[in-house]
Amino acid sequence: KNEVEQSPQNLTAQEGEFITINCSYSVGISALHWLQQHPGGGIVSLFMLSSGKKKHGRLIATINIQEKHSSLHITASHPRDSAVYICAAKQAPGGSEKLVFGKGTKLTVNP
Amino acid sequence: DTEVTQTPKHLVMGMTNKKSLKCEQHMGHRAMYWYKQKAKKPPELMFVYSYEKLSINESVPSRFSPECPNSSLLNLHLHALQPEDSALYLCASSQLGLAADEQFFGPGTRLTVL
Repeated sequence: KNEVEQSPQNLTAQEGEFITINCSYSVGISALHWLQQHPGGGIVSLFMLSSGKKKHGRLIATINIQEKHSSLHITASHPRDSAVYICAAKQAPGGSEKLVFGKGTKLTVNP
Repeated sequence: DTEVTQTPKHLVMGMTNKKSLKCEQHMGHRAMYWYKQKAKKPPELMFVYSYEKLSINESVPSRFSPECPNSSLLNLHLHALQPEDSALYLCASSQLGLAADEQFFGPGTRLTVL
């Protein structure tokens, strides 16, 4: 079992829909990253959070440390949001620079 | 400057060639990373440099040789690669390599080994 699990694996939505991607982890962490990768492209860091909630434009990320769970929400989704979204955890205590990656959620937003 | 740059964007090489991938950042970050990513898979860590010293080698074959000439530059030297080494190679950097540091990723080099 992967230490970082994402759901769903694939997600198709219509433009304008509210989207939620979930990430659960089984290890102690110091921080959790949400990353975005467009097809054939490099990775963009969306959020890094260790508690609470962060918002940037139409993107919102939350984390519940007690439940070991994080969510990424996209409001008013748009076709340009189509990408793979990856959560990655930095382990603690005694964690190194290594990130433990989830397998990614492929999001397709149709016009 | 909040970018990690990588060159080249694409590279095609034969199994007997020697080539190098280059990564650069000017954010003052002291940790730099090489990742390998196969299609439809998450990135796999290869190497980590902290303060220009190799701190993590994830049992990578010796045909991949990293080098960190200074705090802004990271190279990956390639020699005698195999077709299965074809992948997207991503570089990343973070401020101090501490637990809660955010990693910034470059656009990657798409490598094809013939």
